[in-house]
Amino acid sequence: ELKVEQNPLFLSMQEGKNYTIYCNYSTTSDRLYWYRQDPGKSLESLFVLLSNGAVKQEGRLMASLDTKARLSTLHITAAVHDLSATYFCAVDVGNYQLIWGAGTKLIIKP
Amino acid sequence: EAGVTQSPTHLIKTRGQQVTLRCSPISGHTSVYWYQQALGLGLQFLLWYDEGEERNRGNFPPRFSGRQFPNYSSELNVNALELEDSALYLCASSLKMGELGGETQYFGPGTRLLVL
Repeated sequence: ELKVEQNPLFLSMQEGKNYTIYCNYSTTSDRLYWYRQDPGKSLESLFVLLSNGAVKQEGRLMASLDTKARLSTLHITAAVHDLSATYFCAVDVGNYQLIWGAGTKLIIKP
Repeated sequence: EAGVTQSPTHLIKTRGQQVTLRCSPISGHTSVYWYQQALGLGLQFLLWYDEGEERNRGNFPPRFSGRQFPNYSSELNVNALELEDSALYLCASSLKMGELGGETQYFGPGTRLLVL
């Protein structure tokens, strides 16, 4: 069965702290996506990781992909309140079909 | 540049009814994807259309169907609605697969469907 598991599913942290969200998947894929969703809003593309070892950074967020370990991480550096949202990873399993993780709800307290 | 648009924003139906949801992709995008997001859950892939053809289908019953028009807009039809069909239905669009940037899907605001 194709599975994409995010860990943790809920995270409450203080501003200024660092933390990592993990995305494990059960099938071979070299294409992984990270999206952000604010409450009541649609999804916003954050990163597209297209190969093993890919690393992308945007502001306080950095994403990496290890296709051999079937693992992607989303690292948050010196968190700020504006990063509070739900973060989803999604794995392309072929033919542009994405399997999505359940999402990590991130709350950053001032 | 206008983003992906969806209509209606909200819809209330009763069991057994039929519903049609609409999606207009970003100008220049030829692929349209449909997803179901049940409350508190991740997204479930429903359908992918590219240049008017259904290219892939998720694990949903046949009462979920759709089509893509020559202008690349798309409709999602759900027949014989069931209570568990209550969800946010998201449409996304992308450039043609294989094109630079074609791998990124851009999402619309969604249609929230409530089945009573």
